[in-house]
Order: sequence, then C-alpha cells, then structure tokens
Amino acid sequence: EVQLVQSGAEVKKPGESLKISCKGSGYTFTGSWIGWVRQMPGKGLEWMGIIFPGDSDIRYSSSFQGQVTISADKSINTAYLQWSSLKASDTAMYYCARRAAQDAFDIWGQGTMVAVSS
Amino acid sequence: DIQMTQSPSSLSASVGDRVTITCRASQSVTTYLNWYQQKPGKAPKLLIYGASSLQSGVPSRFSGSGSGTDFTLTISGLQPEDFATYYCQQSDRTPNTFGQGTKLEIK
Repeated sequence: EVQLVQSGAEVKKPGESLKISCKGSGYTFTGSWIGWVRQMPGKGLEWMGIIFPGDSDIRYSSSFQGQVTISADKSINTAYLQWSSLKASDTAMYYCARRAAQDAFDIWGQGTMVAVSS
Repeated sequence: DIQMTQSPSSLSASVGDRVTITCRASQSVTTYLNWYQQKPGKAPKLLIYGASSLQSGVPSRFSGSGSGTDFTLTISGLQPEDFATYYCQQSDRTPNTFGQGTKLEIK
C-alpha cells in the first residue's frame, strides 16, 4: 500500500525550533516529488513547497521561502519540514503529499497539527 | 503567482442534485488543473487531475472539464458522503496554488 505517514502533533512555544516528518512507503520514494501544504484553523489549503528526494531539488512558494526549510533523507524515505523559530501564526495543520500525474497530489499524509502558544 | 478563484464559496444542495463548481485561473494553466475533496478533520483527497481525468477509485458521478483559465467540477446525483469542501489547484507553474475552497452543504 502506498502511504505517507507523518509525525505526531506538536505543542511549542514561540521562538522554539521544530522539525516534522513524512515517511513514504509502498513506492519508490526517490522517484516522486513530495510537497507540503499548510491549513490554518478554519482556512483553506496553501502550497508551501516541494522536494524531489532523488536529488533534493527544492521549490518554495515565495510566501514560505525563508520561513521554513524543506529537506529529505532518501536513505530512510523521509521528508521533513522545519522551523528555526516558531511564531504563533505558524499554528496550523501541515500535510505532506506525493506529486503524481499532471503534478497533482495523489497521496496525502494524515497531517501534523502544530500549535504554537506561550 | 497564479491566482485561483472558485465560485461559489458555499453552496446548498439536496441529495440527488447535480451541482457545478467553477474555478478560474488568473492566467492559462492549460489542463494542469486538479480538484480535491476535503471532509472535516481529514486530509484532502484527489478527485480529478489534468482537468478531466478521474482519479482511480473516485465515483463516476464526479467529472471535470475546461482548459486555459476556466474549469468546472460537476457532481451528478449528489450522495450524502459528497457534502464536503472542494478545492481546485493549478499545477502548471510553481507555486501550485489552490483556490479558496467551496463548501457544499446539505439543503
């Protein structure tokens, strides 16, 4: 079964760092782009960026460039999204997803909820 | 960035109805247009890719059409499980922006 499994919910304070993960299985992880999507509480979907684990080619949305870092470790079929200094406005659900035909996201992780509060 | 605008933002319909949701791109995305369904507390699910290709396992009552800047998602014969929020997404150019969503509610 093709799946993406994300790390668990996080509760952090402003200024703290965080790295969340997305582990792929059931397919050739290095052969497909992985994307990250933000969904703030009660809001829509926002495309953050994508990474090609095969060569770590990365594309960011300008809205998120410099705010987060996307990376991958192909040896363990895992992609990451990290923050060096969280803000309250980073509170959201974060999804990873596999890019497939026509660059649509065909497989999604279950989501990682990140809550940032003092 | 390409802006994606969906209409309506919300829609009330009854089981058995035929509904249409539209999505307009700020510039041509050819047929790089995808539709997703999201239910509360769940990850989005891909319904249609490439403007009109039905994702495997998705019921045939869902269909998509359009090219260039104007697209539609049609649900023929609404079922109770179809009440959800629907998003379009362009995948022609990065960032692959989403529409703001259309919430489909039971009348």
